Amino acid sequence: GAVVSQHPSWVICKSGTSVKIECRSLDFQATTMFWYRQFPKQSLMLMATSNEGSKATYEQGVEKDKFLINHASLTLSTLTVTSAHPEDSSFYICSALAGGNQPQHFGDGTRLSIL
Amino acid sequence: EDKVVQSPLSLVVHEGDTVTLNCSYEVTNFRSLLWYKQEKKAPTFLFMLTSSGIEKKSGRLSSILDKKELFSILNITATQTGDSAVYLCAVNSGGSNYKLTFGKGTLLTVNP
Repeated sequence: GAVVSQHPSWVICKSGTSVKIECRSLDFQATTMFWYRQFPKQSLMLMATSNEGSKATYEQGVEKDKFLINHASLTLSTLTVTSAHPEDSSFYICSALAGGNQPQHFGDGTRLSIL
Repeated sequence: EDKVVQSPLSLVVHEGDTVTLNCSYEVTNFRSLLWYKQEKKAPTFLFMLTSSGIEKKSGRLSSILDKKELFSILNITATQTGDSAVYLCAVNSGGSNYKLTFGKGTLLTVNP
């Protein structure tokens, strides 16, 4: 149980393109989803917390107009990287939480490369 | 600011060895501590610890929490090459959004 699907797994695109990443909880309803960014050999850095039906809460230093988050249902959250540039290249990972005393379960991540 | 520190940052052992990974933390309003294993993709959940002194065990892996001394250890016995990964420790420090603060991880390499 507790499967989280993230799509796509790999994106390569030109600078200036907007990229949408989907995160789905497949076998449970996620009250909260989280978006992380991970640089090579670094740990996970939380970007934002997403609650179904409400605006996402962004961590300090994360531009909300650059990283648009939509959490339209209890099983789907999306992250859109708008007008992506090479410095946005990274590994983006989502996680989903079924309830307060449960562990976060992670998707397989999306490797984003901006040329 | 919440802080999670893992040690060692990297470790190389031979198959069959036993390893102990450490995680110490300084957080306000501790709720739980979690261990994850990360190979090439995203982290997979290992353990969640909320109470001191109660060992959690899964096969060759076990973990325990000390809330007085603010640390946890992850033990792996009879290591195998498939145990090679980054092991991440994270703390849920409460609040309404249950967010995790991660340590930098321990890179474990198990050689045949």
